[in-house]
Amino acid sequence: GAVVSQHPSWVICKSGTSVKIECRSLDFQATTMFWYRQFPKQSLMLMATSNEGSKATYEQGVEKDKFLINHASLTLSTLTVTSAHPEDSSFYICSANPEYRGRRTEAFFGQGTRLTVV
Amino acid sequence: KQEVTQIPAALSVPEGENLVLNCSFTDSAIYNLQWFRQDPGKGLTSLLLIQSSQREQTSGRLNASLDKSSGRSTLYIAASQPGDSATYLCAVTGGGADGLTFGKGTHLIIQP
Repeated sequence: GAVVSQHPSWVICKSGTSVKIECRSLDFQATTMFWYRQFPKQSLMLMATSNEGSKATYEQGVEKDKFLINHASLTLSTLTVTSAHPEDSSFYICSANPEYRGRRTEAFFGQGTRLTVV
Repeated sequence: KQEVTQIPAALSVPEGENLVLNCSFTDSAIYNLQWFRQDPGKGLTSLLLIQSSQREQTSGRLNASLDKSSGRSTLYIAASQPGDSATYLCAVTGGGADGLTFGKGTHLIIQP
C-alpha cells in the first residue's frame, strides 16, 4: 500500500512554544491531506482538511489561528500548534488518499505524533 | 451530522474463535467505509475499504460487509490469533473530498 510518513513521532514542549508536525506522502501525490486529533480513550476527530496551494478547511470548534496548516507541495503538509498549552497535549495524526483512475482510494495514515505540553 | 457507533466497546475471546465486530452510522449517504486496526500508541493500519456500491470485501481471515441502506457494517475475523489483539476502528466518509468520521472502536483481546 501507499506510504504516509509523519514526523516527529513524539515531542515534548514547554507551554507557550510552537510545535511543527510534518506529514509526507512518500510514493504518491496528495492534493488533499487530513489532520486528526485523538484524546485518550476517545475516537479520532477530524480537525482540518489541508489543500495544496490553498487555505485549509477547519472543522467546527478548531481554532485556525492556533493550528496553522501549510500544504505547500503535493507531498507535504505541515501542522503547527502555536502557543501550545497542556490542553493541546494529544495524539495528532495525518492521512492522505491516493487516487486511482480519478477515484479516491483508501485512506493511509501516518504514524502519528504524541504531543505533550508541560 | 454523521455519527458512527461501534459495538461492543471491548471484547475478549480465546484464540481460535470466530468473531464479529459491529459498526453503525446514522447517515446512509456515504462515499465509502473503511476498517482500521490501531495498536497502542501507534498509527492506523487500513484493513478493508468498501465502496458505497459494494456489499463486502475480503482479505485473508477478514471479511467486511456493508448494508448502506440500514447504516451497518460488520467485520468478521476468522480463526482469531493473539496477534489480532488491537483496537478496531470503523470510519465513513461522505464524499470524495471529505475526511473520515470514526467510531470509538472495539478493543479486542485474543487470549492465547
